[in-house]
Amino acid sequence: ILNVEQSPQSLHVQEGDSTNFTCSFPSSNFYALHWYRWETAKSPEALFVMTLNGDEKKKGRISATLNTKEGYSYLYIKGSQPEDSATYLCALVSNFGNEKLTFGTGTRLTIIP
Amino acid sequence: GAVVSQHPSWVICKSGTSVKIECRSLDFQATTMFWYRQFPKQSLMLMATSNEGSKATYEQGVEKDKFLINHASLTLSTLTVTSAHPEDSSFYICSARGAGAEGYTFGSGTRLTVV
Repeated sequence: ILNVEQSPQSLHVQEGDSTNFTCSFPSSNFYALHWYRWETAKSPEALFVMTLNGDEKKKGRISATLNTKEGYSYLYIKGSQPEDSATYLCALVSNFGNEKLTFGTGTRLTIIP
Repeated sequence: GAVVSQHPSWVICKSGTSVKIECRSLDFQATTMFWYRQFPKQSLMLMATSNEGSKATYEQGVEKDKFLINHASLTLSTLTVTSAHPEDSSFYICSARGAGAEGYTFGSGTRLTVV
């Protein structure tokens, strides 16, 4: 069983502040890492698919980095806005040769206006 | 972008009855469908993977006779929870992938409560 961990489980951030959270995974099983943003009662929205060590991807105020050697990825949100409130999930695609996603438990982000 | 429509969004059923959950890919062909469930405070856990026209592959510990998956077309997959019991109460969500696609498109999930 692959262990994908996210921290913190939840956090509250003042509007306008920047924040970041972590996804860690077994580096020996890495093939790709997915980040999703999940608002209540909606479908998880794909943010990034990361495959290369040292990769950095950006989408508006959200960016992510990847370190496959040490087995972690950071998600950064710059200048948080109320609409950023959501649960952020990371999911590992392993090198087992299948397409399965192994999810972390998510980081629940609440932006305080 | 790609959209997967999942219905119903919530359902309450009596113990012993069966419930069917549908996922439709609206603007792409879902060659592979994944079904997950999530218990409170836990992560999404893969239940089974199905390819169009083939039998589903179930994860260890998931009863294939209890959770029937049908993926008869490239745009529709269904999960039927048979003879539901209160311990089957959970959040169920599907995810679809088209041929050659990098990403996965999720439905919005179904909250099942068995009473």
